[in-house]
Amino acid sequence: QQQVKQSPQSLIVQKGGISIINCAYENTAFDYFPWYQQFPGKGPALLIAIRPDVSEKKEGRFTISFNKSAKQFSLHIMDSQPGDSATYFCAASKGRALTFGSGTRLQVQP
Amino acid sequence: NAGVTQTPKFQVLKTGQSMTLQCAQDMNHEYMSWYRQDPGMGLRLIHYSVGAGITDQGEVPNGYNVSRSTTEDFPLRLLSAAPSQTSVYFCASRGGLAYEQYFGPGTRLTVT
Repeated sequence: QQQVKQSPQSLIVQKGGISIINCAYENTAFDYFPWYQQFPGKGPALLIAIRPDVSEKKEGRFTISFNKSAKQFSLHIMDSQPGDSATYFCAASKGRALTFGSGTRLQVQP
Repeated sequence: NAGVTQTPKFQVLKTGQSMTLQCAQDMNHEYMSWYRQDPGMGLRLIHYSVGAGITDQGEVPNGYNVSRSTTEDFPLRLLSAAPSQTSVYFCASRGGLAYEQYFGPGTRLTVT
């Protein structure tokens, strides 16, 4: 049973455009929703995270939008840059364990 | 501060061989975990530990053993490797009440 569903699987965006990645979860007990960024050959690194008591969190060009009633959250990358090209994973946590989405490979074309 | 380190970076095994993937962290984190990453499936939790001497199973524990004798180290053992265990393995750690997990660079394992 996949508890966190992520889409799209891959995404191509032009430089300066907006990248949007969506995730949906099933378990209402999840209380922490991070996004991880992974470059080839590297481990995932925390990009931004949100708790369910807020609807949006922004850090620089990265924004998480959270819809508790719909059990969905999304990552928006504004002014996308070629350096943002990576695989992005959403995740959800209840306690200490993380449940990951399947990942989105983002390619930002110059 | 090296963070989370993993060895080896790459390993090729034959079916039935055993090996241990090493993981160490120097951040005095209580919580450590092992994930495997397969294409299209994200990262799946294999085993985790909330402190020295305490381990528990994650989502996909079959075929793997762990132990935690010290705070710093959390090795993952494959007793009899199978081709289905071909994957990239990541170790992660997390401290205290913090939610952020720090991941190691990964070990790419191929079982033929």
